[in-house]
Amino acid sequence: ETGVTQTPRHLVMGMTNKKSLKCEQHLGHNAMYWYKQSAKKPLELMFVYSLEERVENNSVPSRFSPECPNSSHLFLHLHTLQPEDSALYLCASSQDSAGGIYNEQFFGPGTRLTVL
Amino acid sequence: QKEVEQNSGPLSVPEGAIASLNCTYSDRGSQSFFWYRQYSGKSPELIMSIYSNGDKEDGRFTAQLNKASQYVSLLIRDSQPSDSATYLCAVKDNDMRFGAGTRLTVKP
Repeated sequence: ETGVTQTPRHLVMGMTNKKSLKCEQHLGHNAMYWYKQSAKKPLELMFVYSLEERVENNSVPSRFSPECPNSSHLFLHLHTLQPEDSALYLCASSQDSAGGIYNEQFFGPGTRLTVL
Repeated sequence: QKEVEQNSGPLSVPEGAIASLNCTYSDRGSQSFFWYRQYSGKSPELIMSIYSNGDKEDGRFTAQLNKASQYVSLLIRDSQPSDSATYLCAVKDNDMRFGAGTRLTVKP
């Protein structure tokens, strides 16, 4: 595997389900990110981990819970989601720390989430 | 509210022409600027980064930054149908903020 991988690529879940999204980066990067992309809206930064420490939580509802067990893996745990949470969820990583200037971020393929 | 603004398009250019994509931002403290390309159904792909005023060229792509005017642009020379995609402008101060993107169509 190379770059940033995400699983699953597609997920359909009911509002009472609990599921997790997984991201893995094979680039030796120091920071990882979760973004939400909804139709016709800019990418929304959700969470940032830099050197395995959460440094950003952009007022995301508690039904989204991130976990970063090590510098290569990032999870997004989902529970009691709403239909408006349906979107493309993108993971990204960067060599530079989250606060660095040279913060080129590389994205995974995303998970297309549908909440019924 | 810190914002990144892009014309949503669609911008249509003929094959071989120069495509010009523009982006303005509100936060004067921004230090890093990026252009991403996103094909339909795919994730964003980094194509250019620029950190200082002026032009930066990479193949057919040129990024232009004017911090005084809070303006960053991307020029695509000799546009090809394969360049048809949505182009996202991203600006970073403490956080990375993305514009909504400009959809470019290159017609053969």
